[in-house]
Amino acid sequence: DVKVTQSSRYLVKRTGEKVFLECVQDMDHENMFWYRQDPGLGLRLIYFSYDVKMKEKGDIPEGYSVSREKKERFSLILESASTNQTSMYLCASSRTTQGTGELFFGEGSRLTVL
Amino acid sequence: RKEVEQDPGPFNVPEGATVAFNCTYSNSASQSFFWYRQDCRKEPKLLMSVYSSGNEDGRFTAQLNRASQYISLLIRDSKLSDSATYLCVVNSPSYKLSFGAGTTVTVRA
Repeated sequence: DVKVTQSSRYLVKRTGEKVFLECVQDMDHENMFWYRQDPGLGLRLIYFSYDVKMKEKGDIPEGYSVSREKKERFSLILESASTNQTSMYLCASSRTTQGTGELFFGEGSRLTVL
Repeated sequence: RKEVEQDPGPFNVPEGATVAFNCTYSNSASQSFFWYRQDCRKEPKLLMSVYSSGNEDGRFTAQLNRASQYISLLIRDSKLSDSATYLCVVNSPSYKLSFGAGTTVTVRA
């Protein structure tokens, strides 16, 4: 059974703190993605990666960075968390390039920034 | 204008009813279309792809209308387990996936 695992389901951080969200997939997928989901806005792409050490900005990369040192792991970093980054963060992986195949999502990480 | 728009609902229907809803997209060159299902506090999962000729998967039927730039999802004989948020997903020519905000369906006993 395919699996995308996100390290933390719920986090509470303070403004200015550095936040790491980790995602691991066991399907040997090249493509991995980070989205945030907010009510009324749908899923918005933050960053994606097509290969190890490769990253591309999505629609809303400001305030975020990512790291992909190994094929199975894709990390999202908030260098200095702000209250407007309170959201549900979803990691996904796919065998094909974005838009042409099924996305497999992790269960999500709900981040609250106080 | 949003790239993908959905009626947020909620659509409240009794068990056994038929429910249908649409999703409109703005980019006429969009090439691929999908419906994902998201249960409360869970991750989205692919429900079905939407093909030009329309397609059916059990009680679920998806249709694509390119002329009017919308896709639809119809659920027949609704079950309690169909209660979820249904996300419309559209792939543009640049292979960018755009997600709708979702349509919530609640099936009551």
